[in-house]
Amino acid sequence: EVQLVETGGGLVQPGNSLKLSCATSGFTFSTAWMNWIRQTPGKRLEWLAQIEDKSNNYFISYLESVKGRFTISRDDSKSSVYLQMNNLKEEDTAIYYCTWLGYWGQGVMVTVSS
Amino acid sequence: DIQMTQSPSSLPASLGDRVTITCRASQDIGNYLRWFQQKPGKSPRLMIYGATNLAAGVPSRFSGSRSGSDYSLTISSLESEDMADYYCLQSKESPYTFGAGTKLELK
Repeated sequence: EVQLVETGGGLVQPGNSLKLSCATSGFTFSTAWMNWIRQTPGKRLEWLAQIEDKSNNYFISYLESVKGRFTISRDDSKSSVYLQMNNLKEEDTAIYYCTWLGYWGQGVMVTVSS
Repeated sequence: DIQMTQSPSSLPASLGDRVTITCRASQDIGNYLRWFQQKPGKSPRLMIYGATNLAAGVPSRFSGSRSGSDYSLTISSLESEDMADYYCLQSKESPYTFGAGTKLELK
């Protein structure tokens, strides 16, 4: 059974940082292209970042509006993917999901507020 | 960026109705189109991939089709468990983009 479990969410002040983790199981993580997607309070879904596998040199792509603030990474030995989020803004408030193909984690809430 | 224009935003319907939701792509995306269903408090669930392929475990009353740059999700006979939000997603090129969503509700 495919499982993706996000952790690391919470309440942070604007300008602060947060690192999300996604632990996976049930599929061959080392060859998986992993994504982070978020859903705003208004229910809009927004793709944020993708990291490809080793055979594609771990190529990374980002949504332009988060480039330079967010960093996606992976650890194949732990079957995990991460999202480092710096200089957070109130508009980053959302539920953050890690995804693989059509599979989604349960999501983790990130609230940016003073 | 590729824009996905989804319509309608809200769709009141009755049980047993045939309903269709549409996404129009601003550029060619081939068949790189997925449909997701989302119920309150839950993560999105993949319903259709490759524009026309039914995901595992999805009831056969769901179907996907394409006509040019228009992609449709059709439910042949609406059941109560189908009341949810639906989103399309293009994965042809990054940034991958979603439609704004359709809220399917009982009339």
